[in-house]
Amino acid sequence: ETGVTQSPTHLIKTRGQQVTLRCSSQSGHNTVSWYQQALGQGPQFIFQYYREEENGRGNFPPRFSGLQFPNYSSELNVNALELDDSALYLCASSQTSASSYNEQFFGPGTRLTVL
Amino acid sequence: AQKVTQAQTEISVVEKEDVTLDCVYETRDTTYYLFWYKQPPSGELVFLIRRNSFDEQNEISGRYSWNFQKSTSSFNFTITASQVVDSAVYFCALMRKAAGNKLTFGGGTRVLVKP
Repeated sequence: ETGVTQSPTHLIKTRGQQVTLRCSSQSGHNTVSWYQQALGQGPQFIFQYYREEENGRGNFPPRFSGLQFPNYSSELNVNALELDDSALYLCASSQTSASSYNEQFFGPGTRLTVL
Repeated sequence: AQKVTQAQTEISVVEKEDVTLDCVYETRDTTYYLFWYKQPPSGELVFLIRRNSFDEQNEISGRYSWNFQKSTSSFNFTITASQVVDSAVYFCALMRKAAGNKLTFGGGTRVLVKP
């Protein structure tokens, strides 16, 4: 069973640029959630994708957008980068079903630095 | 609104000492799940335990134990006979089933175990 993978591992951008982060979900999972973790803080929910549609969004501006593909992999896009966007971006995959809960499995993260 | 508070930002112990991490949560939901994750320096979040709101039975897994008390909205985590490999940041998280499986994390507690 392949776990959750993310690319790239590290990324350095400058203010105003755009960035795309990628996530491959665990085999058999149909849901991907994205979290932002600033240095020294807990992860903050950005949004979730289920069956290629956005399924819930946290308190993030529209310049944070995403996609989910038919194979359930996902992209996180951030436009007009700001210094405060520097963080570890975590992707988590899960299987959404009628069961009582859906455990999320996290990838290793992409560390984004905005200069 | 839901919230998770981890009042201890950093705990330092000597190897073989016990350490207890506090977690207090807020939610108006009756069905919810509580989690603990470990984040080693590599950055990946490692799942430790899940508890649902209807199961207040305490749990022990090796050197780890958890104390869930709905009356005080707390879900504390104890590491017995700590080891250097336990050094990491530990996060408590809340998931409301009604919120589409979004995890709300606390700010984390950094545990440093000295040899």
